[in-house]
Amino acid sequence: QSALTQPASVSGSPGQSITISCTGTNSDIGVYNSVSWYQQHPDKAPKLMIYDVFNRPSGVSSRFSGSKSGNTASLTISGLQAEDEAEYYCSSSSSSVTVVFGGGTKLTVL
Amino acid sequence: QAQLVQSGSERKKAGAAVKVSCKASGYTFSTHDINWVRQAPGQGLEWLGPITSHNGNSNFAENLQGRVTMTTDTSTSTAYMELRNLRSDDTAVYYCARGWKMSAFDPWGQGTLVTVSS
Repeated sequence: QSALTQPASVSGSPGQSITISCTGTNSDIGVYNSVSWYQQHPDKAPKLMIYDVFNRPSGVSSRFSGSKSGNTASLTISGLQAEDEAEYYCSSSSSSVTVVFGGGTKLTVL
Repeated sequence: QAQLVQSGSERKKAGAAVKVSCKASGYTFSTHDINWVRQAPGQGLEWLGPITSHNGNSNFAENLQGRVTMTTDTSTSTAYMELRNLRSDDTAVYYCARGWKMSAFDPWGQGTLVTVSS
């Protein structure tokens, strides 16, 4: 059982927007502004998409955005494209261990 | 740009040990932690712990205490993770990743598949 809770799957049509939630506790997301999001295509290493809740690394599309409210963080992908189909993981600093991950969300582009 | 290249796949018997290497390039090795993350087949990501590159201080996930050793060689910009007394549930792809910003990991190595058989 993962420390952070994500929906198992989400889907959307090309051009639409989707949001993936990531729910933690007052020991991780609720107290640290260090939420990250990773994209992982099959048989590939994860790729950092968002760090420190809402920041995008250089080279990541502005279609990807992050936010946080209380113990829940969210990743929004706007203007869905076929290449966005992948598994998405959230992570956060935690007071009990250093970093905790969510269980992953499979995004299907219909 | 920063890059991490890991050693190749390993197949081990239960009870044996495995040592995975992670060679960094494109940045000053000593200025960033290296974190280790594993992913069992069809499963999610599990953080194993970080090692401070310049002094070798490390911190492991509780469930690995006593079985894991993380080291670095600053002369070759390489980090190592050794896992001992392997069990079948250690079968996974092991990733190294550079610590960046507060707790973000970027970039990641390509992964090393470790298969443990009985």
